[in-house]
Amino acid sequence: QVQLVESGGDLVKPGGSLRLSCAASGFTFSDYYMSWIRETPGKGLEWVSYISGATSKIYYGDSVKGRFTVSRDNSKNSLFLQMNSLRVEDTAIYYCARGGTTAHYYVFDWGQGTLVTVSS
Amino acid sequence: SYVLTQPSSVSVAPGETARIVCGGDNIGSYSVHWYQRKPGEAPVLVIYYDSARPSGTPERFSGSKSGNTATLTISRVEAGDEADYFCQVWHSSRGGVFGGGTKLTVL
Repeated sequence: QVQLVESGGDLVKPGGSLRLSCAASGFTFSDYYMSWIRETPGKGLEWVSYISGATSKIYYGDSVKGRFTVSRDNSKNSLFLQMNSLRVEDTAIYYCARGGTTAHYYVFDWGQGTLVTVSS
Repeated sequence: SYVLTQPSSVSVAPGETARIVCGGDNIGSYSVHWYQRKPGEAPVLVIYYDSARPSGTPERFSGSKSGNTATLTISRVEAGDEADYFCQVWHSSRGGVFGGGTKLTVL
């Protein structure tokens, strides 16, 4: 059974940094695209980033480009999101999500999410 | 920006057919994916590439597309189908775009 467990969400001040982690199990992690998707009451669901299994393909949404960095450690079945220069509008629930083996266009499985709050 | 528009709510009686629409400019050019999210649970992919069902999705769930609208159809609706449903496309320049979600109420 696929399990995705996010951690690292916290309250942080504007301009601060935070690192989210996602522990994956139940599938061959290195074979799959992985994504971070966030959700806010006002803007709904927003695709933040994806990374291919071999880390050769990476995408960032315009709103986080230059501030967030996605990475993965296939030896530890883990996905990460380093978030710098955080803004109030980055406040959201962040979901770790599993895509396909050759396609990032959709998500097969989602974690339960971790809450990031950016506030002074 | 690219916007996918969904009705905020749809209500249907048990055993009837629910149709949830998703509208977007030139949506025919994109593959549409559908997710179900029940209260307190993580979203689940129920339809991908317009009409394909992942293993585990009941055959009662189907997807279609026509013109500028994609439709998720749930036949013989059950109480357990009550959930929020989101459509999503991968836009060539906007990346992953989600609809605002439709709350399905089973009367």
